[in-house]
Amino acid sequence: DAGVIQSPRHEVTEMGQEVTLRCKPISGHNSLFWYRQTMMRGLELLIYFNNNVPIDDSGMPEDRFSAKMPNASFSTLKIQPSEPRDSAVYFCASRQLMGTGANVLTFGAGSRLTVL
Amino acid sequence: AQSVTQLGSHVSVSEGALVLLRCNYSSSVPPYLFWYVQYPNQGLQLLLKYTSAATLVKGINGFEAEFKKSETSFHLTKPSAHMSDAAEYFCAVSDGGKLIFGQGTELSVKP
Repeated sequence: DAGVIQSPRHEVTEMGQEVTLRCKPISGHNSLFWYRQTMMRGLELLIYFNNNVPIDDSGMPEDRFSAKMPNASFSTLKIQPSEPRDSAVYFCASRQLMGTGANVLTFGAGSRLTVL
Repeated sequence: AQSVTQLGSHVSVSEGALVLLRCNYSSSVPPYLFWYVQYPNQGLQLLLKYTSAATLVKGINGFEAEFKKSETSFHLTKPSAHMSDAAEYFCAVSDGGKLIFGQGTELSVKP
């Protein structure tokens, strides 16, 4: 398997522009997570989906952020409009949803976003 | 809610020395605990996990961690550091369907 695939790997944009980050989870995984990593706040969970349904979006910073999972093999995280404080590395991770929380998350390589 | 606290944002050791990275958890139920490693410009990868089967857990690259309920700790150790171990290490706890991470500890290895 190719692992969790994220695109783009790097994005530089100007304040006010729309940003869309993409994620393809591992085939057969039915739980998907979006995390944001910054120096100041570390790794923050933004949202996660089980079977394409959003379960917890309490970590989404504000209404400028939205995430979708239209099918089992694709998810997007959108920021509109973007602001400099959104600059971070955004990680997507997936796992098989089973009976316990012991299942391992597999992470993508991340999308590094810089908003000027 | 479950949480983990990593003591020390940066640890420096000499090559060949013992590595000890500290993690304490807060959980009202028996936790599932994890250690992940992140190399520069890469995603996180699993080192090891604790799922109550055994208190001493062995992971990849010679790392191991011991679950101590009395101390609410899950410290990561490696007997002899290698230059390639330089990275950031994250302790994490499963909270329902979510994985909650600590702030991370950056490990430097001096030659």
